Amino acid sequence: GAGVSQTPSNKVTEKGKYVELRCDPISGHTALYWYRQSLGQGPEFLIYFQGTGAADDSGLPNDRFFAVRPEGSVSTLKIQRTERGDSAVYLCASSRDRVGEQFFGPGTRLTVL
Amino acid sequence: ELKVEQNPLFLSMQEGKNYTIYCNYSTTSDRLYWYRQDPGKSLESLFVLLSNGAVKQEGRLMASLDTKARLSTLHITAAVHDLSATYFCAVDMSTGNQFYFGTGTSLTVIP
Repeated sequence: GAGVSQTPSNKVTEKGKYVELRCDPISGHTALYWYRQSLGQGPEFLIYFQGTGAADDSGLPNDRFFAVRPEGSVSTLKIQRTERGDSAVYLCASSRDRVGEQFFGPGTRLTVL
Repeated sequence: ELKVEQNPLFLSMQEGKNYTIYCNYSTTSDRLYWYRQDPGKSLESLFVLLSNGAVKQEGRLMASLDTKARLSTLHITAAVHDLSATYFCAVDMSTGNQFYFGTGTSLTVIP
């Protein structure tokens, strides 16, 4: 079956602009996670959804970052007033439930100029 | 905040040799995960360890979890070039929903 998909694969934007990153999880997976990975580092947890609600958003670095999952499937990570330090690969993962293995998407490489 | 440390960070080994990667974490957790990442690619799940004493094996890789010692190991047997990649462990906070990844171990298997 189809895996986790993310769009766009690459996004280049200018400092101060707004961006949206999309994640389409595996069908039937109730848990969805967003991570950020900088070069040479492990993924950094951002937010976890169980169904439609953000069960844990403690990893979001500041209030410029926001994520939604309105129908319990597709999720969008939104970044306002982007800064150069936001440049990273943003990864999405989904799993059947809270403790199952996570299946990762290919990531969106965000570059803020 | 939970800290997850892996060692070594870089590992170069010859084909056919055995080696172990270590993952230590700083607070209570009963769940640990191992992932593989090839350059420029996303993460691939290798093992899910859900209890103390859990051991799982797949091919030349074997993972174990000791929750009392807060330690997981990933053992490589008779390494082959195809195992060259970066390996991450990730720990699930028992009291929350965050996942914390280690710094990764970059493995290069030399023919």
